[in-house]
Amino acid sequence: NAGVMQNPRHLVRRRGQEARLRCSPMKGHSHVYWYRQLPEEGLKFMVYLQKENIIDESGMPKERFSAEFPKEGPSILRIQQVVRGDSAAYFCASSQRTGEGYTFGSGTRLTVV
Amino acid sequence: AQSVSQHNHHVILSEAASLELGCNYSYGGTVNLFWYVQYPGQHLQLLLKYFSGDPLVKGIKGFEAEFIKSKFSFNLRKPSVQWSDTAEYFCAVNAGGSYIPTFGRGTSLIVHP
Repeated sequence: NAGVMQNPRHLVRRRGQEARLRCSPMKGHSHVYWYRQLPEEGLKFMVYLQKENIIDESGMPKERFSAEFPKEGPSILRIQQVVRGDSAAYFCASSQRTGEGYTFGSGTRLTVV
Repeated sequence: AQSVSQHNHHVILSEAASLELGCNYSYGGTVNLFWYVQYPGQHLQLLLKYFSGDPLVKGIKGFEAEFIKSKFSFNLRKPSVQWSDTAEYFCAVNAGGSYIPTFGRGTSLIVHP
């Protein structure tokens, strides 16, 4: 069981470019969550998805950020026109059912230069 | 809105010392409680969780946590820490009816050999 797979592990983008972060949930898990981790700030919830549906995006910035979890393939977190403030570690987690403990991926560390 | 407080942001201990990390939450109803650990450069891993039953929960690697409902607390303990316990520890709480846990800011633990 490969667990939650995130790629890339490290991503460097220039200001104004697009960043695409991918997450494949654990086998059998249909719930995917994205979190952002900033130094000294802990984990901040961004979005919760099930297959083909966004369930809760209350933590997503209103502009430039979007997420999807298509019927086939990984979940994608997309950041358009990145700015330096987007630099952070982005973690994906999955679960089999809501309300239970998550399995986290290793994260994608985005650096905007 | 629920909130989670981890009052100790940085803890430094010597090996064999006892550990207690505080976690308090602000929700008065039914809660699911979690502790996660993040070793340097790695993803978050579930240490232990409480849903119901015995309020003293035993987790992996000798950790335990006690749910005290009257104090809205779920403190993490370990009788004798090791150098390999150096990590960031996060408390998380699912309030009743919510599928998105709220994470505390985290506590950085450094254990000196």
